[in-house]
Amino acid sequence: DIVMTQGALPNPVPSGESASITCQSSKSLLHSNGKTYLNWYLQRPGQSPQLLIYWMSTRASGVSDRFSGSGSGTDFTLKISSVEAEDVGVYYCQQFLEYPRTFGGGTKLELK
Amino acid sequence: EVQLVETGGGLVQPGKSLKLTCATSGFTFSTAWMHWVRQSPEKRLEWIARIKDKSNNYATDYVESVKGRFTISRDDSKSSVYLQMNSLKEEDTATYYCTLTTRVYPNWFAYWGQGTLVTVSS
Repeated sequence: DIVMTQGALPNPVPSGESASITCQSSKSLLHSNGKTYLNWYLQRPGQSPQLLIYWMSTRASGVSDRFSGSGSGTDFTLKISSVEAEDVGVYYCQQFLEYPRTFGGGTKLELK
Repeated sequence: EVQLVETGGGLVQPGKSLKLTCATSGFTFSTAWMHWVRQSPEKRLEWIARIKDKSNNYATDYVESVKGRFTISRDDSKSSVYLQMNSLKEEDTATYYCTLTTRVYPNWFAYWGQGTLVTVSS
């Protein structure tokens, strides 16, 4: 199985500051079609996960442009510019290259 | 509007069975591939099962930890997907979500239900 490993944030993050969340995969997620099969989700307190980013860097519909995804085949970053109260929650990366689809352990973002 | 509503969770003893239902609306269910994802009390997310559509012979796939104990199925006439869970263990305690992939959303989970809590305890 592909193992997804997420880094921690130096919480709490001051409002208006930027935050970067890292994720590493145990195998390259670069598909032969040129797309990287890495997704990011945010789970706000008391809610279900919601999609933020797919194919490593494409924002889902309705997602603020304060969120951006980048990376290589195995190392990925989700950057949140100018953190706001609505960004609080747990962020998960997920690989969609192989079954079983696996998730990172989550990175909690708290606001100062 | 896409809606996914999971039901059937509850408290069950180890070794017993439980069947979850996910009722859906707002999209073409018959061509969607349906998935179950669970979230442990420690908040870890784990994909556990997928069922493809009729054109793909309703092929199923499972994570190793539930193979032989859980069965995913679907009823296209009811736009519903099910998860039959047998021989439950305490480590199956989790909130269970259903989600989907389609030709429009092929490689990510764009929609999630609200989840149903399963607690396995004596």
